[in-house]
Amino acid sequence: GAGVSQTPSNKVTEKGKYVELRCDPISGHTALYWYRQSLGQGPEFLIYFQGTGAADDSGLPNDRFFAVRPEGSVSTLKIQRTERGDSAVYLCASSPFSGTDTQYFGPGTRLTVL
Amino acid sequence: KNQVEQSPQSLIILEGKNCTLQCNYTVSPFSNLRWYKQDTGRGPVSLTIMTFSENTKSNGRYTATLDADTKQSSLHITASQLSDSASYICVVPNYGGSQGNLIFGKGTKLSVKP
Repeated sequence: GAGVSQTPSNKVTEKGKYVELRCDPISGHTALYWYRQSLGQGPEFLIYFQGTGAADDSGLPNDRFFAVRPEGSVSTLKIQRTERGDSAVYLCASSPFSGTDTQYFGPGTRLTVL
Repeated sequence: KNQVEQSPQSLIILEGKNCTLQCNYTVSPFSNLRWYKQDTGRGPVSLTIMTFSENTKSNGRYTATLDADTKQSSLHITASQLSDSASYICVVPNYGGSQGNLIFGKGTKLSVKP
């Protein structure tokens, strides 16, 4: 079956612009996660959805970052007024039920803010 | 502060040889520890998940050990193959966070040479 997919695979934008990153989880997975990975670092937790609701958004760095999952499947990470420091690979993962399950990661979206 | 420290930072071995990667963590209380493999440009892939009551777990040529008393884990790779070249990341839940809020180490970059 299909794994986690993320679009676009690469996104280049200018400082101050708005971007949306999309994640399609494995069908039927109720838990969805967003992480950010900078070069040479491990992934950094951003937000965790259980169904449609954000169970934990404590990792979002500031109010420029927002994520939604309106129907409990596809999720969109939204970044307003992008800054150069936002440049990173944004990873999405899903798991069948909860955070204690194995997380299955997508290939990531590489965001570059010029 | 919850931390995950991994060593060595990088490692080069010859094909067919064994190696052991180390992980020290400080999070307390502790529920589970995970090892992931991340190929360059790809999302992490789960290798093992161990609860605090397990002290060893195998997945093919990968064997993870856990000492919850000393807060140390190791990942042993036997009969290495060229395809084992990747970063290996140790992961623990963030105490005080949700089940999906994970702390990733920086990883050990393994290079297997012919």
